[in-house]
Amino acid sequence: DTAVSQTPKYLVTQMGNDKSIKCEQNLGHDTMYWYKQDSKKFLKIMFSYNNKELIINETVPNRFSPKSPDKAHLNLHINSLELGDSAVYFCASSQGTGGGETQYFGPGTRLLVL
Amino acid sequence: KNEVEQSPQNLTAQEGEFITINCSYSVGISALHWLQQHPGGGIVSLFMLSSGKKKHGRLIATINIQEKHSSLHITASHPRDSAVYICAVRRLLISSGSARQLTFGSGTQLTVLP
Repeated sequence: DTAVSQTPKYLVTQMGNDKSIKCEQNLGHDTMYWYKQDSKKFLKIMFSYNNKELIINETVPNRFSPKSPDKAHLNLHINSLELGDSAVYFCASSQGTGGGETQYFGPGTRLLVL
Repeated sequence: KNEVEQSPQNLTAQEGEFITINCSYSVGISALHWLQQHPGGGIVSLFMLSSGKKKHGRLIATINIQEKHSSLHITASHPRDSAVYICAVRRLLISSGSARQLTFGSGTQLTVLP
């Protein structure tokens, strides 16, 4: 059983397109996250979300928007894709809303914008 | 300068060697995480600690809150330990929701040769 799953695993698209990446967790966790890993392997938080609060990293362009249909899903929608959006995007989840919970990561979605 | 610094950036060891990876941070934290990213890209949480020391198999993680420093040790290293090891901290910012988010180091690429 996959704890945190993401689809698609690979996404190749052209500049200007709109795309979504889906994330699902079956751990019953309260909080979900989206991270971006750049070409230098540096991970950076984009969003964290639970049923009460969306926390957005201020450096994330507003072309990126998280959408949560329910507690087990946090999808990432990207408008007007740019070349610099090419990266690996990781979804993660944790139990609780603060403090030092262990986060469980999805396998990543490799996005290439041409 | 990053709030989380790891050293070394790259480390090559022979099988069986004792390995230490260091992480220093410059902010107050509530917890520190060690993550492992496999060559295929998947990320696994190894430890979450806020004080003292934790051990899991051949892996040991220590943290010194006063010195703002943590170490990850691998005893009897094996080629399957080859991966990127990432340190991440949860900042202690009382007045900001960003306290729930992790700040990552740039990772240490470990290669263990047979």
